[in-house]
Amino acid sequence: QKEVEQDPGPLSVPEGAIVSLNCTYSNSAFQYFMWYRQYSRKGPELLMYTYSSGNKEDGRFTAQVDKSSKYISLFIRDSQPSDSATYLCAMSGQREAGKSTFGDGTTLTVKP
Amino acid sequence: EADIYQTPRYLVIGTGKKITLECSQTMGHDKMYWYQQDPGMELHLIHYSYGVNSTEKGDLSSESTVSRIRTEHFPLTLESARPSHTSQYLCASSLGRAETQYFGPGTRLLVL
Repeated sequence: QKEVEQDPGPLSVPEGAIVSLNCTYSNSAFQYFMWYRQYSRKGPELLMYTYSSGNKEDGRFTAQVDKSSKYISLFIRDSQPSDSATYLCAMSGQREAGKSTFGDGTTLTVKP
Repeated sequence: EADIYQTPRYLVIGTGKKITLECSQTMGHDKMYWYQQDPGMELHLIHYSYGVNSTEKGDLSSESTVSRIRTEHFPLTLESARPSHTSQYLCASSLGRAETQYFGPGTRLLVL
């Protein structure tokens, strides 16, 4: 079993929809949780970064971490065609600072 | 935008050739990483470095080798390329205990 499982997708939504992207994990030592966005033929770029449990909001994006359930989510409000990309969750524990475990990615398409 | 560069961006080469993929960053990051990613598939960590003269193999076995003689430079070498090495290779870096990684644009390698 993988340490990080990500909802496989692909996901296709109409413009303006609320999108929910999710990952579960098994390693209770994970404390740092990241979401990366990867456009086709490009390297991933950091979108959101959260430490421990809680919510973090940045514009249309909200990251949620529930450590008790070992579950993280990324919500995108008012989705735009420019949000079409692959979204990767990543997480890391204190002992391996800097080295992250990535999910497989969920490909999102937002249709105009 | 992150200051991490990879060259070449695209490479088509014959079986048996020796190749070196270049990665440089100008952010003074101490940690650097190499990932392999097939189209639509997950990231696989193949090498990482926590500083000059420090290199470790990643989670995915790879026939490639790396060196870290300078902080800003982390080249990856394949002594004898094979078609099974065809993939995208992504370089990333991070600073200190920060969990977030900055990715380069990637090198797409095709071995004929």
